[in-house]
Amino acid sequence: DAKTTQPNSMESNEEEPVHLPCNHSTISGTDYIHWYRQLPSQGPEYVIHGLTSNVNNRMASLAIAEDRKSSTLILHRATLRDAAVYYCILDIYNQGGKLIFGQGTELSVKP
Amino acid sequence: GAGVSQSPSNKVTEKGKDVELRCDPISGHTALYWYRQSLGQGLEFLIYFQGNSAPDKSGLPSDRFSAERTGGSVSTLTIQRTQQEDSAVYLCASSRAGGPANTGELFFGEGSRLTVL
Repeated sequence: DAKTTQPNSMESNEEEPVHLPCNHSTISGTDYIHWYRQLPSQGPEYVIHGLTSNVNNRMASLAIAEDRKSSTLILHRATLRDAAVYYCILDIYNQGGKLIFGQGTELSVKP
Repeated sequence: GAGVSQSPSNKVTEKGKDVELRCDPISGHTALYWYRQSLGQGLEFLIYFQGNSAPDKSGLPSDRFSAERTGGSVSTLTIQRTQQEDSAVYLCASSRAGGPANTGELFFGEGSRLTVL
């Protein structure tokens, strides 16, 4: 039901870029792609979202494939504080704003 | 504070008792969401409010669960006759937007941890 597929876990080294992949092959033209992350013992926090074009903000970049069936969240320089579970979610048109979270990718960052 | 506030932060109850969990969204946010997260699991959608109405209640796991929202602001999630499998962190989120397209950024509270003995 989550409609997105992510690796269960990934590892990164501090100060290096991280590319977190997400597959969403059933996406339709009006569905937005959202990314959230959840640090240990905290509620999730918004990271970024987009529709068709690549997006950048202070936290990350979102690269969306031309066919929109996949996307990649890019953390340009991982820090220890970036260790979290990252969720890729589809905001499906006419689902009334219901964001269905999958299992996410647990990112660990090594010093 | 300016964020989403949830209370209680921790609640321990006995099986069969009723519990109420409260969520104060960010002022001006029309959309409000309830999720729950069992230990080591992802987030499970429960219910969504747009203003005071709940267009989507499909995630409520049983008729023991209910939620209401009054004045377009505070929401209460009630669990009747609690069971051990109800033990989880209950998370509330609010958003300026909400509706059929582009949900907009969700702001989450810290959650209410419920333990049913």
